[in-house]
Amino acid sequence: SQQGEEDPQALSIQEGENATMNCSYKTSINNLQWYRQNSGRGLVHLILIRSNEREKHSGRLRVTLDTSKKSSSLLITASRAADTASYFCATDDFRPNNDMRFGAGTRLTVKP
Amino acid sequence: DGGITQSPKYLFRKEGQNVTLSCEQNLNHDAMYWYRQDPGQGLRLIYYSQIVNDFQKGDIAEGYSVSREKKESFPLTVTSAQKNPTAFYLCASSMGTGYGYTFGSGTRLTVV
Repeated sequence: SQQGEEDPQALSIQEGENATMNCSYKTSINNLQWYRQNSGRGLVHLILIRSNEREKHSGRLRVTLDTSKKSSSLLITASRAADTASYFCATDDFRPNNDMRFGAGTRLTVKP
Repeated sequence: DGGITQSPKYLFRKEGQNVTLSCEQNLNHDAMYWYRQDPGQGLRLIYYSQIVNDFQKGDIAEGYSVSREKKESFPLTVTSAQKNPTAFYLCASSMGTGYGYTFGSGTRLTVV
């Protein structure tokens, strides 16, 4: 099965700094999604970006998509300690049923 | 409030036993999904259902079974044929293609 692959695996920054996480995937997609998971909890949907979109914003989050490079990035600006979590990208790999495949995630630690 | 509920939160299984994990949603979502997450890993798709009385195997369906008799409910049975069932199990639902997932808070299954 195709999956997104996040990079880096782990990221540690100071509060107030920006955090950038990248996702690469292998096949064509209809859409790509980003999720956050706090330790031991379920995932929370952050942003969905469609294949014909290049950039989306939601509050302090900015997602870009480059379909020619099969890559996406998630930028969190002015990070807070509460942003500490794992972040996953998920792709539908152009399947019609919206069954998403997830990468292994980036573990973000924001130090106060 | 609308949401998706998984129960129990923790479950212990003896060798050779079948156990059933509950997933209920009141979001009126047509699609439901089961994922497995191992420590430090991404999510792997077990089964999904797009409509009542219909479901499809995901990438790691062996040793698992599901039913979808009601729109609100998508229980997962971990059978004795699943050789390494200890994991964190996540249920999700979605309105369908082009929409993000809403996740439950997960069930942690441990074989004792």
